[in-house]
Amino acid sequence: ETGVTQTPRHLVMGMTNKKSLKCEQHLGHNAMYWYKQSAKKPLELMFVYSLEERVENNSVPSRFSPECPNSSHLFLHLHTLQPEDSALYLCASSQGVSNEQFFGPGTRLTVL
Amino acid sequence: LAKTTQPISMDSYEGQEVNITCSHNNIATNDYITWYQQFPSQGPRFIIQGYKTKVTNEVASLFIPADRKSSTLSLPRVSLSDTAVYYCLVGAIYSGAGSYQLTFGKGTKLSVIP
Repeated sequence: ETGVTQTPRHLVMGMTNKKSLKCEQHLGHNAMYWYKQSAKKPLELMFVYSLEERVENNSVPSRFSPECPNSSHLFLHLHTLQPEDSALYLCASSQGVSNEQFFGPGTRLTVL
Repeated sequence: LAKTTQPISMDSYEGQEVNITCSHNNIATNDYITWYQQFPSQGPRFIIQGYKTKVTNEVASLFIPADRKSSTLSLPRVSLSDTAVYYCLVGAIYSGAGSYQLTFGKGTKLSVIP
């Protein structure tokens, strides 16, 4: 595998479920990101990890919980989501923050 | 946050030069300007990044005036495969300070016509 991979590519979950999105980068980068892309809004940056240290974003609801166990892996844990959380969730990585980001293909999430 | 404004859509014929302008009146001193391209069902792909004046790479040029309140992405001689959404991104991440500001525009849908 090369680049940035995301699994699953599609996910349907109920509002009471708990699920996790996984991202893996094979580029040796030291920063990773989670974005949300919904139909009516621009790309929204949710979380940033630099050197495995999380940079806080207080505007993201606590029902989204990120985890970065090492520089190659990033997870987004989901629980008690709302239908308005349905969107494409994109992971990206870069070598140094603010530099060129490489995006994965995204996970299309539908919350019923 | 540096809010960005882009045209919603643009049409161009094959072989023409396309210029897409992004306005970012509140850009901060430390902010960079980055452009991404996105095809349907794919993640965005980096095109070019700059801070001021002009930057050129093998696929595009980026023009930034002295006041940095706008930027223009220039795509030379577009082809049908350049049909995509183009996003302007303004911001910088200060991981040491524990905060970040990255603002994507709503994107410009470019349609290249044969």
